[in-house]
Amino acid sequence: GAVVSQHPSWVICKSGTSVKIECRSLDFQATTMFWYRQFPKQSLMLMATSNEGSKATYEQGVEKDKFLINHASLTLSTLTVTSAHPEDSSFYICSARDLEGLRQYFGPGTRLTVT
Amino acid sequence: GQNIDQPTEMTATEGAIVQINCTYQTSGFNGLFWYQQHAGEAPTFLSYNVLDGLEEKGRFSSFLSRSKGYSYLLLKELQMKDSASYLCAVRDSNYQLIWGAGTKLIIKP
Repeated sequence: GAVVSQHPSWVICKSGTSVKIECRSLDFQATTMFWYRQFPKQSLMLMATSNEGSKATYEQGVEKDKFLINHASLTLSTLTVTSAHPEDSSFYICSARDLEGLRQYFGPGTRLTVT
Repeated sequence: GQNIDQPTEMTATEGAIVQINCTYQTSGFNGLFWYQQHAGEAPTFLSYNVLDGLEEKGRFSSFLSRSKGYSYLLLKELQMKDSASYLCAVRDSNYQLIWGAGTKLIIKP
């Protein structure tokens, strides 16, 4: 089946620094990738939708200047958390939709801890 | 507004059968998904229904009634490893996934 990878799988950073998370579709091309955030014991919250070659669409309440998304190719999207704060500590999950638009595959997630 | 409802938590016994219901109200419908999520892990795909009826895949089956805005996930021969959260998601007319809050399934020996 289709595989989506994320790197890193976990990261600890200091408050005020920036962290970049990569999401790759390994064996298929994805024109659309999604970034989710999940706090403990809560459901997935969509942060933004990114389409290859265009600007990401952010959900209401998500700061686009804080969560920078780049979807440079059909297999790679990156999320950069800028000037991270402890409240940004969360589980960040990406998913990629195949070109046919039928299936959406999830990456394994990245656990971010901001100290 | 768009809404997905599923029970918060369910408990079942190992070896038994459990049915997790999901009702939805969305702007348009382009398929319903069930995902399994173990604690600390990303969701994994279980099933996809776009037409009415039952889709069977091993121990798991998923049912859809579009006219009723209703789906269920049926798990048979429950195993301890089935303890997880089960997420129902509907793809709306904009091809966005609308998520339910998930049902935490607890399996007891």
